Amino acid sequence: GENVEQHPSTLSVQEGDSAVIKCTYSDSASNYFPWYKQELGKGPQLIIDIRSNVGEKKDQRIAVTLNKTAKHFSLHITETQPEDSAVYFCAATDSSYKLIFGSGTRLLVRP
Amino acid sequence: SQTIHQWPATLVQPVGSPLSLECTVEGTSNPNLYWYRQAAGRGLQLLFYSVGIGQISSEVPQNLSASRPQDRQFILSSKKLLLSDSGFYLCAWRRQGDGYTFGSGTRLTVV
Repeated sequence: GENVEQHPSTLSVQEGDSAVIKCTYSDSASNYFPWYKQELGKGPQLIIDIRSNVGEKKDQRIAVTLNKTAKHFSLHITETQPEDSAVYFCAATDSSYKLIFGSGTRLLVRP
Repeated sequence: SQTIHQWPATLVQPVGSPLSLECTVEGTSNPNLYWYRQAAGRGLQLLFYSVGIGQISSEVPQNLSASRPQDRQFILSSKKLLLSDSGFYLCAWRRQGDGYTFGSGTRLTVV
């Protein structure tokens, strides 16, 4: 079945710097790759997603890139702000369209 | 618009007691529904999913069960809780072709 690996597990950046989180997946049939942001004590919130027919997608300060050949995708956050501090999860759909999640990255943006 | 409700928000239960967590979705019909568990500081583990009334698929063997008595209702249960059942339980639903929307979660502490 699908396996998603995510790194780093923790990431600390200075406010205004960029943050990059990377994920790899194992199932070449996967075609949908969302990213979720989870704040303490809350459910994950979808922040951006990308489908397999697109290589890059951008939404203001957030962008996601996908390399299907290498089976990896990345989240890029530019001009980070303290409110970006949270846990971020990547995910990929398996052949049954279930979402399989990475282990999460705790992002800390230092003021 | 579609919304998902999960309750209770927090729950403290003694070992050996029963459990019932409820999730309901509004504004859609025949959604795919999911139960995930998140251990402290960990990723999201898929427990059960359902594609329709009475249809339950279990992802991992465990002390829990799920039921879907109505189209937009998904229930997570246990007859006798174990200490290892403690965690943050999340319900989610999926629209065709889109990502998952998560509820606000239930933090369960078994004592």
